[in-house]
Amino acid sequence: DIQMTQSPSSLSASVGDRVTITCRASQGIRNDLGWYQQKPGKAPKRLILEASTLQSGVPSRFSGSGSGTEFTLTISSLQPDDSATYYCLQHDSYPRTFGQGTKVEI
Amino acid sequence: EVQLVESGGGLVKPGGSLRLSCAASGFTFSDYSMNWVRQAPGKGLEWVSLIDSTSSYIYYADSVKGRFTISRDNAKNSVFLQMNSLRAEDTAVYYCAEGSTAPGYWGRGTLVTVSS
Repeated sequence: DIQMTQSPSSLSASVGDRVTITCRASQGIRNDLGWYQQKPGKAPKRLILEASTLQSGVPSRFSGSGSGTEFTLTISSLQPDDSATYYCLQHDSYPRTFGQGTKVEI
Repeated sequence: EVQLVESGGGLVKPGGSLRLSCAASGFTFSDYSMNWVRQAPGKGLEWVSLIDSTSSYIYYADSVKGRFTISRDNAKNSVFLQMNSLRAEDTAVYYCAEGSTAPGYWGRGTLVTVSS
C-alpha cells in the first residue's frame, strides 16, 4: 500500500500569510493526487486535481505542485475562510490513501 | 446539480450488520465509478471501497475486506455498502463520493455507530 505522509499536522498563521502543506508518497504516484479542504461537520471539498489543476470555482490563492513522491499545496494569502483541515489523496493505486490531515488555524 | 444522498446509518451492536445506500442524481450515474469513504469521530479520512461503472472492478481497504460488500444498481442510480461483522472501530460518518480518481462530488454522509 502507498503511504501518504502529510506535514505539518497543524499550523497557525495570520491573514495574508503564505502557507505550504506537503504530502510525501512512499512510492511514485506520478501526478495522481488530489487536495481537499474539510470544515467541521461538512463533506470534503476538492481543491486541486491531478496535483496541480485548480478545481473550477476554487480561489486562485490555492495552488498545487509536485510529481512523483513530493507534493505541495500552497495558499498564497491566507484568508479567514481558509480555516479548515486539508487532506491529500493518492489515486495512483488501490487502496486509495489519504494523508493524515493538516489543521490550519487563523 | 449533482446530488449524492446517503442513508441507512444508525446504531448497531458489535457483530451486527447494516446496509448503507447512496442515491445519485444530476449526472449520468452509470458512467462513473463510486466510492465509499469514512471518517471516525475526530479522525481523518479513510477510503473504504470503490466500484467501477459496470461493477466489473471492485476494491476494498484491508480494514474492511471480507466484511463489507459494495454494489450498485445503475437502473436506480444507487450504490450500496453492505457492512457485516461490525466492530467498534467501524464507527464513523460514511460518505459516498463520485469518481475513479480524486472524487469531486461527495454526499453529506451518514453516521454509523457500533456500540453495545
